Amino acid sequence: DAGVIQSPRHEVTEMGQEVTLRCKPISGHDYLFWYRQTMMRGLELLIYFNNNVPIDDSGMPEDRFSAKMPNASFSTLKIQPSEPRDSAVYFCASSLGTSLGADTQYFGPGTRLTVL
Amino acid sequence: QKEVEQDPGPLSVPEGAIVSLNCTYSNSAFQYFMWYRQYSRKGPELLMYTYSSGNKEDGRFTAQVDKSSKYISLFIRDSQPSDSATYLCAMSSQGGSEKLVFGKGTKLTVNP
Repeated sequence: DAGVIQSPRHEVTEMGQEVTLRCKPISGHDYLFWYRQTMMRGLELLIYFNNNVPIDDSGMPEDRFSAKMPNASFSTLKIQPSEPRDSAVYFCASSLGTSLGADTQYFGPGTRLTVL
Repeated sequence: QKEVEQDPGPLSVPEGAIVSLNCTYSNSAFQYFMWYRQYSRKGPELLMYTYSSGNKEDGRFTAQVDKSSKYISLFIRDSQPSDSATYLCAMSSQGGSEKLVFGKGTKLTVNP
């Protein structure tokens, strides 16, 4: 398997522009997670899905952020309008989802976003 | 108080040293404890997974959980330059398929 795929790997945009980050989870995984990582705040969970349904979006910072999962193999995280404080590395992760608790989240390579 | 506290380091040790990495937490509902390793400009990858209290060993790595003290540790024996990375602790009350709370990570450098 190719692992979790994210695109683009790098994004530089200007304040006020719309940014769309994309993720393809590992085939067969039922859970998909979006994280943001900064030096100041570390790795923070933004939102996660189970079987394409959003389960917990309490980490989404504000209404400028939205996430969708139209099917089992694709998810997007959109920021509109973007602000300089949104600059961070955004990770997507997926997991199989087991009832045993011993489950692993597999992370993608991340998208490094810079908002000027 | 943050849910998970982790000393960010940086930590620099000579090759062959024993490394101790630690996290404390405040949420007594946490049952699942993980250590992730993150190389520079890469995504985190799971290194060790422990359920409830106790020790778990995997090669040169040992994970310890002390729920009474709300304290977890990762020990690396005979450290190697390839161990140089950022180590993040993570915790959950429901397992890896649910919400994980991460520490900020400790950056480790093992010098040859």
